[in-house]
Amino acid sequence: EAAVTQSPRSKVAVTGGKVTLSCHQTNNHDYMYWYRQDTGHGLRLIHYSYVADSTEKGDIPDGYKASRPSQENFSLILELASLSQTAVYFCASSDAREPTEVFFGKGTRLTVV
Amino acid sequence: AQRVTQVQSTGSSQWGEVTLDCSYETSEYSYLILWYRQLFSGEMVFLIYQPSFDTQNQRSGHYSVVFQKSFKSISLVISASQPEDSGTYFCALSELPRNNYAQGLTFGLGTRVSVFP
Repeated sequence: EAAVTQSPRSKVAVTGGKVTLSCHQTNNHDYMYWYRQDTGHGLRLIHYSYVADSTEKGDIPDGYKASRPSQENFSLILELASLSQTAVYFCASSDAREPTEVFFGKGTRLTVV
Repeated sequence: AQRVTQVQSTGSSQWGEVTLDCSYETSEYSYLILWYRQLFSGEMVFLIYQPSFDTQNQRSGHYSVVFQKSFKSISLVISASQPEDSGTYFCALSELPRNNYAQGLTFGLGTRVSVFP
């Protein structure tokens, strides 16, 4: 069964600190994505990657970096966490040739204090 | 500017039909519209999709869509709705540029659905 696993599932971070959110997929998918969801809103694309060792900016990349060291792993990095980055973060993966097969992780709730 | 627009909320009584409207903006010839439901746990569940090149409205279980391509509009229809169908539903646009692959989904803000017993 297709799976996208995020860790941690929740985290409290201090303003100005560094935060790394990790994502692992076992779907053998080319594409991986990071989205953020603010309370009462839809998901917005932060970064994505279609191949290992390469990342692309999404719609709201400011304040975030991404890393794709292998096909299976995709990390989102907040170098200097800010209060405005408190949100739920979702990782997803998809097959480049089957864009309807987008599998989401269960989300990471990040609270910056 | 919002590229995918959804009605904020809608409701129905049990066994009724629920219609969720979505409008979108795109300049791409090829695209997909996908519908997701977000469970109370936060999990995103894929429901159904409509490809731009298919004039036939898609169906999946008790979900169907009404696709009005010329108006860049699509509706999700939940038939024989049940209280457990209550929740938040998202419309998402996946653009498929020529000679390129999908570049992520653009989501609407979601529609909160309430189905009353």
